[in-house]
Amino acid sequence: DTGVSQNPRHKITKRGQNVTFRCDPISEHNRLYWYRQTLGQGPEFLTYFQNEAQLEKSRLLSDRFSAERPKGSFSTLEIQRTEQGDSAMYLCASSGPGRGNTIYFGEGSWLTVV
Amino acid sequence: AQKITQTQPGMFVQEKEAVTLDCTYDTSDPSYGLFWYKQPSSGEMIFLIYQGSYDQQNATEGRYSLNFQKARKSANLVISASQLGDSAMYFCAMREASNAGNMLTFGGGTRLMVKP
Repeated sequence: DTGVSQNPRHKITKRGQNVTFRCDPISEHNRLYWYRQTLGQGPEFLTYFQNEAQLEKSRLLSDRFSAERPKGSFSTLEIQRTEQGDSAMYLCASSGPGRGNTIYFGEGSWLTVV
Repeated sequence: AQKITQTQPGMFVQEKEAVTLDCTYDTSDPSYGLFWYKQPSSGEMIFLIYQGSYDQQNATEGRYSLNFQKARKSANLVISASQLGDSAMYFCAMREASNAGNMLTFGGGTRLMVKP
């Protein structure tokens, strides 16, 4: 499978714990995105990488959130000191050359904070 | 103001019939792209179709077509010959060229339910 891959798919954690999600983009794609989606809503942009550089961060990305993309390949999204409001699906996406620079999404990582 | 508006929270369609999902957008950027994604209950966002603001013809991809009316700022998705597997959430999204990161702005989605 050469699509965007995310893991873990599901994570249940206690409030105050740290969690980390991993994303492996489509191999030739140099742009990588993280989005957050809560129930009944459309995805909201969190952050964006071009190669290894993090070029854009949404105001939704509080200081408890950090994202990295070492060497411009896979990316991680870490949430420290999780809160119940962090419960959501975290979607990773990537894009590269092609018509419309179409953004392709992974299957998402569901986070439940209890 | 909302950049992407999907006014239909839910839609029913009979199997094998066509259905139109509405999407209106708001931008002052002359160069933009419009996308439709399908999200089944599994959660994955599946790319369906793309329309560029300068494209002269409406986009089509198999059973999906995009009814692009630039002056009205609408980009409705038409699904022909609906199938049971089309039941899902559908999201309209826009990318503006002035947005250096090419990130997408999504609407609130429409839940489509196909009746057998």
